[in-house]
Amino acid sequence: GAVVSQHPSWVICKSGTSVKIECRSLDFQATTMFWYRQFPKQSLMLMATSNEGSKATYEQGVEKDKFLINHASLTLSTLTVTSAHPEDSSFYICSARDRLGRLNTEAFFGQGTRLTVV
Amino acid sequence: RKEVEQDPGPFNVPEGATVAFNCTYSNSASQSFFWYRQDCRKEPKLLMSVYSSGNEDGRFTAQLNRASQYISLLIRDSKLSDSATYLCVVSRASGNTPLVFGKGTRLSVIA
Repeated sequence: GAVVSQHPSWVICKSGTSVKIECRSLDFQATTMFWYRQFPKQSLMLMATSNEGSKATYEQGVEKDKFLINHASLTLSTLTVTSAHPEDSSFYICSARDRLGRLNTEAFFGQGTRLTVV
Repeated sequence: RKEVEQDPGPFNVPEGATVAFNCTYSNSASQSFFWYRQDCRKEPKLLMSVYSSGNEDGRFTAQLNRASQYISLLIRDSKLSDSATYLCVVSRASGNTPLVFGKGTRLSVIA
């Protein structure tokens, strides 16, 4: 099956620093990738939709200047958490669906990044 | 109201038991339906898509009722390895639309 690779799988950073998370689709092209965040015992919440070659679309309540998304190619999207604070500590996960867009197409997920801000 | 709502759980069942999970969705424009499984601290993995006619995959049976906006998952002959969180997932269409996740229902299968 299709593979989405996310890196790093975990990171610990100091408060005020920035962290970049990469998401790559390895064997298919993804014009759109989705970034989710999951707090403990909560559901995955969509943060933003990353569109190749254009600006990302952010969900309500998600600060676009804090969570910078770049989708420079059909296989790579990055999420940068800028000036991270302890409340940003969470499980961040990317997802992509095949650009052919067939109905009931499953989404493929990266392995997730566990961010801890100290 | 959340777009996807699931049984709160947790469900603690003995090996061999049959367990059913329910889910409702609020957006009538939803077109695609899935059950995903998520193990602790891992990414979600597709368990099965859900079709209007209902579908079965081994010990797992999924049902969809569009009129009631209701989805179910039945697990027969539970195994220890079935212990996980089961996520009910919908999307409005295919391709470039995001998936919307329920909060998940935790299942623990006990020996």
